[in-house]
Amino acid sequence: KAGVTQTPRYLIKTRGQQVTLSCSPISGHRSVSWYQQTPGQGLQFLFEYFSETQRNKGNFPGRFSGRQFSNSRSEMNVSTLELGDSALYLCASSRLGNQNNEQFFGPGTRLTVL
Amino acid sequence: AQSVTQLDSQVPVFEEAPVELRCNYSSSVSVYLFWYVQYPNQGLQLLLKYLSGSTLVKGINGFEAEFNKSQTSFHLRKPSVHISDTAEYFCAVSGSGNTGKLIFGQGTTLQVKP
Repeated sequence: KAGVTQTPRYLIKTRGQQVTLSCSPISGHRSVSWYQQTPGQGLQFLFEYFSETQRNKGNFPGRFSGRQFSNSRSEMNVSTLELGDSALYLCASSRLGNQNNEQFFGPGTRLTVL
Repeated sequence: AQSVTQLDSQVPVFEEAPVELRCNYSSSVSVYLFWYVQYPNQGLQLLLKYLSGSTLVKGINGFEAEFNKSQTSFHLRKPSVHISDTAEYFCAVSGSGNTGKLIFGQGTTLQVKP
């Protein structure tokens, strides 16, 4: 069974640009969550999608958005990039998105904002 | 609201020595607890989880953890570490309600020295 895949793995952007990151969950998984990982703030929850609906949202500005498609693939978008958005963005999938479901993580997309 | 505190940011230890990585959580509801490991330039991998039942949980790679409700702790232990255990370790608690959201601690870097 293929794992969670994220594309691209590395990305360099400049301030003010926008970026779209993609996540393909494990086949059969319906829940996709996104996390931002930085040295200073650690792992912070961005949002969770389940069956194409946003089910939970973390404490991030509206510049961060996402969506999920009917095949459970998910994208997140960051508009008007700031230097502080430089981070590793991790995607995780689980079968039903319940509290006791194991979350499977992708390798992440490392975003650098110059 | 749930929160997780990992008491040590770095733990240096010699190869073949025992190690304990400490984790305390705060939650007003029943919790599910997890330990994840992150190797350099990779995503997170589940080591073990506590959902219910026996308070001593065994995971992969020889790790185990003990759930202590009265002390709100979930410390991770390994009786004999290897160089290959050098990585960052994250303790996490599930979010409340029907969600796959995880709340992570700040992480503990385990440095195994020869």
